[in-house]
Amino acid sequence: GAVVSQHPSRVICKSGTSVKIECRSLDFQATTMFWYRQFPKKSLMLMATSNEGSKATYEQGVEKDKFLINHASLTLSTLTVTSAHPEDSSFYICSATGPETGTAIGQPQHFGDGTRLSIL
Amino acid sequence: GQNIDQPTEMTATEGAIVQINCTYQTSGFNGLFWYQQHAGEAPTFLSYNVLDGLEEKGRFSSFLSRSKGYSYLLLKELQMKDSASYLCAVRDRRSGYALNFGKGTSLLVTP
Repeated sequence: GAVVSQHPSRVICKSGTSVKIECRSLDFQATTMFWYRQFPKKSLMLMATSNEGSKATYEQGVEKDKFLINHASLTLSTLTVTSAHPEDSSFYICSATGPETGTAIGQPQHFGDGTRLSIL
Repeated sequence: GQNIDQPTEMTATEGAIVQINCTYQTSGFNGLFWYQQHAGEAPTFLSYNVLDGLEEKGRFSSFLSRSKGYSYLLLKELQMKDSASYLCAVRDRRSGYALNFGKGTSLLVTP
């Protein structure tokens, strides 16, 4: 149980392109989804927290106009990297949690497989 | 904010035991998690502690002392496939239960 699917797994595109990444919870209702970013040999950095039906909360230093997050349903959140540039190349990972996964009692977040974004 | 510290690199021999330490500082502690991450892959959950003490899951055990802001992950009977990065993450109720990760410990298991 508690499977999170992330798509696409890899994107290579030209500078200036906007890229949308999807994160789906397949067998539970994800009231909260988190988006992380990871540079090579670095740890995961939280970008934003997304609650279903409300605006995402962005971490300090993350441009909300650059990284658009939508969490319109209990099973889907999307991250759109707008007008991507080479410095946006990174590994983006989503995770999801919800009542069924037992946030209050400490069950782990469930991670998608990640999206490797390469901007040429 | 949170300060999560863990060693950058460790090396151990196949069949041995290794302990990876993690220290943290937070006001809204709601659990400490250990994840394993192989290069190019997403993290996979290993263990979780919210109360003091030792949690054992097969070859992996994790310990927590909340008063000391300290945890360790213990890996027994090391196998070559255990070579990976091990991430210590603290969940904070003040930040919507998001996980804040340490920089990870890169473990190399040698024959």
